Amino acid sequence: EVVLTQSPGTLSLSPGDRATLSCRASQSVSSSYLAWYRQKPGQAPTLLIHGIFTRATGIPDRFSGSGSGTEYTLTISRLESEDFAVYYCQQYGTSPLTFGQGTRLEIK
Amino acid sequence: QVHLVQSGAEVKKPGASVKVSCKASGYIFNDYAMHWVRQAPGQGFEWIGWINAGNGNTKYSPKFQDRVIITRDTSASTVYMELSLLTSEDTAIYYCARQWILDYWGQGTLVAVSS
Repeated sequence: EVVLTQSPGTLSLSPGDRATLSCRASQSVSSSYLAWYRQKPGQAPTLLIHGIFTRATGIPDRFSGSGSGTEYTLTISRLESEDFAVYYCQQYGTSPLTFGQGTRLEIK
Repeated sequence: QVHLVQSGAEVKKPGASVKVSCKASGYIFNDYAMHWVRQAPGQGFEWIGWINAGNGNTKYSPKFQDRVIITRDTSASTVYMELSLLTSEDTAIYYCARQWILDYWGQGTLVAVSS
């Protein structure tokens, strides 16, 4: 299976800062099927990005995805209070679907 | 508006089975796959499997292959996930989520396994 490793484990930033989250795959992600989700405490995840670059419906343009092959990045250009949460990458190109272990974005 | 509404929390004994439902609304049920994913307390996500809501075809993660069954009732726009031979390690929140990009999620169903 494709193992996804996210870094850093925890990221401490302030509102208005720029956040860069990384996701490394153990093998190339098939058909660019890489997604990012945000999970707030006690809630189900929310889809942010799919197909590496494409923002989901209703997601603001301060969220952007990039990468290829085995290296992927989620960038949040200007952090708002609602962005402090846990972020997961996920690949859906190869069965079984797999998730990274998450990056916790906390207020500094 | 798309909604996925799951059944309520369950408490089970080791060795028992649990069946969780996920009722869909706001879209054409048969046109989208439904996936099941779980999250153990304080942990990340594990994919369990998926069903093609149109034809009922399923595929399961090798980890769960031998003890999970996913079915659907098209007349009720509902998908079911049944997990058998439960152990304490199956204690988790179970989510249904629509299509491969998991664009909409149910609210989650807590399954607690305890003797």
